[in-house]
Amino acid sequence: QVQLVESGGGVVQPGRSLRLSCAASGFTFSSYGMHWVRQAPGKGLEWVAVIWYDGSNKYYADSVKGRFTISRDNSKNTLYLQMNSLRAEDTAVYYCAREAVVVAATTYYYYMDVWGKGTTVTVSS
Amino acid sequence: DIQMTQSPSSLSASVGDRVTITCRASQGISNSLAWYQQKPGKAPKLLLYAASRLESGVPSRFSGSGSGTDYTLTISSLQPEDFATYYCQQYYSTPLTFGPGTKVDIK
Repeated sequence: QVQLVESGGGVVQPGRSLRLSCAASGFTFSSYGMHWVRQAPGKGLEWVAVIWYDGSNKYYADSVKGRFTISRDNSKNTLYLQMNSLRAEDTAVYYCAREAVVVAATTYYYYMDVWGKGTTVTVSS
Repeated sequence: DIQMTQSPSSLSASVGDRVTITCRASQGISNSLAWYQQKPGKAPKLLLYAASRLESGVPSRFSGSGSGTDYTLTISSLQPEDFATYYCQQYYSTPLTFGPGTKVDIK
C-alpha cells in the first residue's frame, strides 16, 4: 500500500543539525513532488518545503530558508530534510507528504494526498 | 504571502448536526484550496481538494464550496468520528499556507 515513513527525529541542542528521512513505498516515488510540513506542540500546521519530482526545483518557507535543505534520492525512494542551525522554535512534529495534482480544463490543482505519521524534533539545551 | 483565516476557531456540535466551517484567503486563490482533518496525535487526512472535489474514500457528508477568496467546508450530518480539527490550505502560490484550524468537539 502507499506509505510514507519518517525517521531521524530526536532531541538536539540549539545551533546543531539534524537530518530527517522519509521512506516512500507503494507508488512511483520519482513521479511525485514531495513536501515537508511541521506542527509545533499544540499549534497548527506549517508548510516547510517542497521539492519537484525530479529535484529540479525547491521552495522553502521564510522561517527555514537558508537553514533547511530539502532533497531526494529517487533511486532510494527517499526524501530528506537537512536542518542546520536549529532553534527552539523548530521544535515540532515533522510530516512528509506526497503532492498530487489534478487537471481541470487548463488549471492544475495541487494537494497533499498521502502523509506520513511524523517524526518529532525537539530543540532544547 | 497569502494569509488564510478560518471561522469559527472552535465549535461544539451534536451528532447529526449540520456543520459549516469558513475559510478566507487574503487574495483570490482560484479554487486552489484543500481541506484536511486531523485527530489528536495523528497525521492530517485529505478530505477535499480543488475546493469541492471529494477525495476518494471520504464520506459524501463532507462537501466543499466557494470561489475567489471565500470557501466553506460542510459536514451535512456530524458523526462521532468527525470530531477533530479541520484545516484549509491554499495551493495557489508559495509559500503554501494553512488556516489556523477549526476544532469541532462534542456538545
